[in-house]
Amino acid sequence: AQSVTQLGSHVSVSEGALVLLRCNYSSSVPPYLFWYVQYPNQGLQLLLKYTSAATLVKGINGFEAEFKKSETSFHLTKPSAHMSDAAEYFCAVSDRSGGSNYKLTFGKGTLLTVNP
Amino acid sequence: DTAVSQTPKYLVTQMGNDKSIKCEQNLGHDTMYWYKQDSKKFLKIMFSYNNKELIINETVPNRFSPKSPDKAHLNLHINSLELGDSAVYFCASSGGILRETQYFGPGTRLLVL
Repeated sequence: AQSVTQLGSHVSVSEGALVLLRCNYSSSVPPYLFWYVQYPNQGLQLLLKYTSAATLVKGINGFEAEFKKSETSFHLTKPSAHMSDAAEYFCAVSDRSGGSNYKLTFGKGTLLTVNP
Repeated sequence: DTAVSQTPKYLVTQMGNDKSIKCEQNLGHDTMYWYKQDSKKFLKIMFSYNNKELIINETVPNRFSPKSPDKAHLNLHINSLELGDSAVYFCASSGGILRETQYFGPGTRLLVL
């Protein structure tokens, strides 16, 4: 069974500071990994994904994540936080058993607040 | 154009009632999903349909019955609503070459009183 652990339910940074949101996964096979963002009262928007190409993945809004197999991690970073980055961030894993369905298993989410 | 849409956006109802949530996607995908987000923001898959066929059913009470009239639609009917059903329900879809990637709707916020 797959699982995702997001360290830190709440991360607070100053505007312009580095953003680091941590995600570790457990999977018996090389997984697909995703980061989604949820703004207040909205749906989930895909930030980026890892599907076994480059281990450093660039996403939207200046975010990137690095897949580290040895550490089973997929941490999300952004060099300089903006006020508009304040949101809930979810890391998710889906397995490659494939067929037609890729069930997503989510972490518990990390709320990012950005202070002026 | 909205890729994955859900109706209604908000739903307030009494315990014991029956309600439905509709989902439509215009992405041409062949797989659709329902997820539940609880009050602590935890997201968990409920169902998945591929080409109108039920593929995933994650130990969801029988009171929940998904229906897929065609590939573009996946509806969720809930019988005898309970207080614990209060949550945000998200529809998602995937398909094509990048079928591992799911696109989510805006969510339906259900409050059972």
